Amino acid sequence: AQTVTQSQPEMSVQEAETVTLSCTYDTSESNYYLFWYKQPPSRQMILVIRQEAYKQQNATENRFSVNFQKAAKSFSLKISDSQLGDTAMYFCAFMKHNDYKLSFGAGTTVTVRA
Amino acid sequence: EAGVAQSPRYKIIEKRQSVAFWCNPISGHATLYWYQQILGQGPKLLIQFQNNGVVDDSQLPKDRFSAERLKGVDSTLKIQPAKLEDSAVYLCASSSPGTERKTQYFGPGTRLLVL
Repeated sequence: AQTVTQSQPEMSVQEAETVTLSCTYDTSESNYYLFWYKQPPSRQMILVIRQEAYKQQNATENRFSVNFQKAAKSFSLKISDSQLGDTAMYFCAFMKHNDYKLSFGAGTTVTVRA
Repeated sequence: EAGVAQSPRYKIIEKRQSVAFWCNPISGHATLYWYQQILGQGPKLLIQFQNNGVVDDSQLPKDRFSAERLKGVDSTLKIQPAKLEDSAVYLCASSSPGTERKTQYFGPGTRLLVL
């Protein structure tokens, strides 16, 4: 089974500043997918960003970017210019290339302060 | 396009009672998933359907949980009898068979409290 570890249970950031969430994973697979999902309070989970392991270029979606370090099995998420609407729980997730099963970390609660 | 729909949004029952949750995936999505999310944890996959067939139910407690997806569209997850430790949010997700098939789209979830 794949293990996904998010070592930061909670993080707080001032509006307009940058915050980085860490994620590490354990796998023997060479090809796989990594995801960051956002779950706002009492709202549904939505995809923030996705990375395919065979792609060396780090994925970017507007203010969200990742630092994918395959050898270190690390997949951090950077939120730039934080907005109040970014307040949510963020989950890192892993999926094997030939599978559709997501393995989630425990999540990091991000609070953006005005 | 309409998202994944789930009902009810909230449910409170007593232990040993039964409960059922309903999910309607995004139109055209062949794959449907049920997850259990216990407070403070990430979601855990319970069962995965491809059309109306079960692909993976290895983490489903089959002595009390059952799920079906008749006609390959809507799905129902049932718990009978419920235990206190079943208190959780039950999430339904679906994915497309196309190029974005690795991306799962989640519904709002059903929050279950077992007393």
